[in-house]
This record gives sequence, C-alpha cells and structure tokens, in this order.
Amino acid sequence: GAVVSQHPSRVICKSGTSVKIECRSLDFQATTMFWYRQFPKQSLMLMATSNEGSKATYEQGVEKDKFLINHASLTLSTLTVTSAHPEDSSFYICSAEVGGDTQYFGPGTRLTVL
Amino acid sequence: QKEVEQNSGPLSVPEGAIASLNCTYSDRGSQSFFWYRQYSGKSPELIMSIYSNGDKEDGRFTAQLNKASQYVSLLIRDSQPSDSATYLCAVPLYNFNKFYFGSGTKLNVKP
Repeated sequence: GAVVSQHPSRVICKSGTSVKIECRSLDFQATTMFWYRQFPKQSLMLMATSNEGSKATYEQGVEKDKFLINHASLTLSTLTVTSAHPEDSSFYICSAEVGGDTQYFGPGTRLTVL
Repeated sequence: QKEVEQNSGPLSVPEGAIASLNCTYSDRGSQSFFWYRQYSGKSPELIMSIYSNGDKEDGRFTAQLNKASQYVSLLIRDSQPSDSATYLCAVPLYNFNKFYFGSGTKLNVKP
C-alpha cells in the first residue's frame, strides 16, 4: 500500500508554544490529506481536510486559527498547533487519499503539552 | 443515528476460531467501504476495501457487503493472538471524500 510518514513521532512541549507536525506521502502524490485527532480509548475525530494549493476545510468545532494547516505541495501537509495547552495533548494522525476514495494513514504524532 | 455504527465489544474469541465483526451505515448512497485495524497506541492500518455486494476474500480476511441492508462485515478465520486490536469500519460520505468512522470493535483473541 501507499506509504505515509509523519514527523515527529513524539513531541513534548511547554504550554504556550507552537508545534508543527509534518505529513508526507512517500511514494505517491496526494492532492488531499486529512488530519485526525484521537484521545485515549476514543475513536478517530476528523479535524480538517487539506487540499493542495487551497485552504483547508475544518470540521465543526475545530478552531482554524489554532490548528493551522498548510498543504503547499502534493507530498507534504503540515499541521501547526499554535499556543498549545495541556488539553491539546493527543495523538494526531494524518492520512492521504489514494485513488479517489482510499485513505492511508501516517504513523501518528503523540503530542504532550506540559 | 450515527453514520456508521459498530459494536464496541470487546469481542473475545479463542485462538483458531472465526471472529465476526459487524458494521451498519446510514447513507444509502455510499459506494465504498473499508476496514482498518488499529493496534493500541498505533495508527490505523488498511485491511480491506469492498465495493460490490457479496464476499471479498484476502487471506484469512473476508469482507461481506449487503447494500440493501446497509451492512458490512469482516470475518477473520483462524484468529491469532496477533489479530487482537480494534477494528474500524470506514464509509466515505456519498459524493465527498471524507470518511465516517465507526467507533471500532475491540477484538481479543485468547491463546
């Protein structure tokens, strides 16, 4: 299957700092990528849909000014958590769309905000 | 009604048995259906996709789709302890590319 990478895999930061997470499609071009968040023992929650060259589409309740998404190329989307707080601590996972309907997931980034 | 519903489990089966995981969806226009496996602390991994009514087999896995009943299932034959994970059913919203995920069924395969 298609390979999606994320960096970093784990990050610990102080409250108030910003954290950037990168999502890359390694062996294919991804016009559309998705960002999810998952809290312990809960299901995936879609945060936003990222389309190359255009603004991301955010799900209801997700603050677009806090979670900045940039999809500047067909192989890279970034999520920046601005002014992170402890409640933002979560497992952030990106996925890339292949073939119009299939999603392949990156390995995830575990964010801990102290 | 949620767009995609799964029994949260846990579903416990002995090693070597058949595990049956079920999923119902609400959007009659849905055309494609996916099963993902998620180990604890890891991201989801695609197992199978199915598009047509009937069965689709891949190794020990069989996906079954019944569009009239809006029902999709995943059978795991000869279950192994390594199959213990949460299984997520995913259905793209008709005419859109984003997925609706079920809450997942936790499977425990006991040695």
